Amino acid sequence: GESVGLHLPTLSVQEGDNSIINCAYSNSASDYFIWYKQESGKGPQFIIDIRSNMDKRQGQRVTVLLNKTVKHLSLQIAATQPGDSAVYFCAESPPGGSQGNLIFGKGTKLSVKP
Amino acid sequence: SAVISQKPSRDICQRGTSLTIQCQVDSQVTMMFWYRQQPGQSLTLIATANQGSEATYESGFVIDKFPISRPNLTFSTLTVSNMSPEDSSIYLCSVEKGSGGATEAFFGQGTRLTVV
Repeated sequence: GESVGLHLPTLSVQEGDNSIINCAYSNSASDYFIWYKQESGKGPQFIIDIRSNMDKRQGQRVTVLLNKTVKHLSLQIAATQPGDSAVYFCAESPPGGSQGNLIFGKGTKLSVKP
Repeated sequence: SAVISQKPSRDICQRGTSLTIQCQVDSQVTMMFWYRQQPGQSLTLIATANQGSEATYESGFVIDKFPISRPNLTFSTLTVSNMSPEDSSIYLCSVEKGSGGATEAFFGQGTRLTVV
């Protein structure tokens, strides 16, 4: 198959700074979006989700923004900590499918410098 | 939440052989999903497995290559058949579980497969 590339985009931030990770999704009709965190050797871990009838949702230290006009999601992490270092994936749930049937974005590797 | 256990956690296999990966969930779930994550890449859905029916495969994945079993509501297996080095990936089991009208997808820790 086609090789997309073996190197994920990387975001490097200083501990304590805010991080913003961006994602473009593919299906304008998708109605549910999730951000996952994947640490080395582990499966993806749910961070926060948002439905298409919202444009912003806040959690503990994290905020997800949804711009349906340009099919764009972002994840903001406040006061980034070394434990936040991981690969972050956005995922969308296309209409008509279950919420376990997900299309994942390419992922961004977040590196936090102490 | 759901606790998902996958076995084996990793394996190194000879080309041409087959490997069966097991996924055990700590509670009954209707739908289970199998994903592949190739090195340095994102996750791609292989198939959806419902208990009591044939698995539904995504484009590019076929039953002969990735047979799936779903004998009950807490267990599923994925077999990677006639393996080649291109099958070297992390294979992840996922379940959909809901409460209070909302559902969430939970993932196992993955099985890291290397084909030599």
